[in-house]
Amino acid sequence: EDQVTQSPEALRLQEGESSSLNCSYTVSGLRGLFWYRQDPGKGPEFLFTLYSAGEEKEKERLKATLTKKESFLHITAPKPEDSATYLCAVLRNSGNTPLVFGKGTRLSVIA
Amino acid sequence: GAVVSQHPSRVICKSGTSVKIECRSLDFQATTMFWYRQFPKQSLMLMATSNEGSKATYEQGVEKDKFLINHASLTLSTLTVTSAHPEDSSFYICSARRLAGDYNEWRKWGQFFGPGTRLTVL
Repeated sequence: EDQVTQSPEALRLQEGESSSLNCSYTVSGLRGLFWYRQDPGKGPEFLFTLYSAGEEKEKERLKATLTKKESFLHITAPKPEDSATYLCAVLRNSGNTPLVFGKGTRLSVIA
Repeated sequence: GAVVSQHPSRVICKSGTSVKIECRSLDFQATTMFWYRQFPKQSLMLMATSNEGSKATYEQGVEKDKFLINHASLTLSTLTVTSAHPEDSSFYICSARRLAGDYNEWRKWGQFFGPGTRLTVL
């Protein structure tokens, strides 16, 4: 069974304090690993897709990396507007199957 | 491109009534739509997968008679919560895959998500 585990559940940072969010996964053939941002009362917003170990992608203050067992979302010098829930999901490499989500990490950045 | 809308964004109803939530793909045709439910401070829980013209496939523990899903066209799927009760209060999110999509597109985008519908049952 595909599983995605995110840690920590919640993270509180001071503005400018860099940190990383973790996503550990087990999947029967990885087609892709996805990171989404979700603001309260809204649907998930696509951030990144990673496909193979060693891959990295960046967007503004965010950088996502991937190994064979986990992915990290690094947040450099965060700002209060980065406060959100960050969701990790995997897509299995077979058929038209849905994304499997982790429980998310709730990030709060304090000014 | 690839915009998914939901209507209504918020709904409040009395216990025992039925509520219909619409999910539309605005600028693409969706071969597959997914319905998720999200409780406060929890992640998205897949309820069902629907393919246009076919019966929905429900996840274990989701009552198909309570959560009626219709995917009658390539741009519209509806979720009807029948005889709603307070415990059905939740945030419902739909998601879609493009008809013309294939392995490479699904691999790139995964799924496109709607903005969600907040259901409150009194």
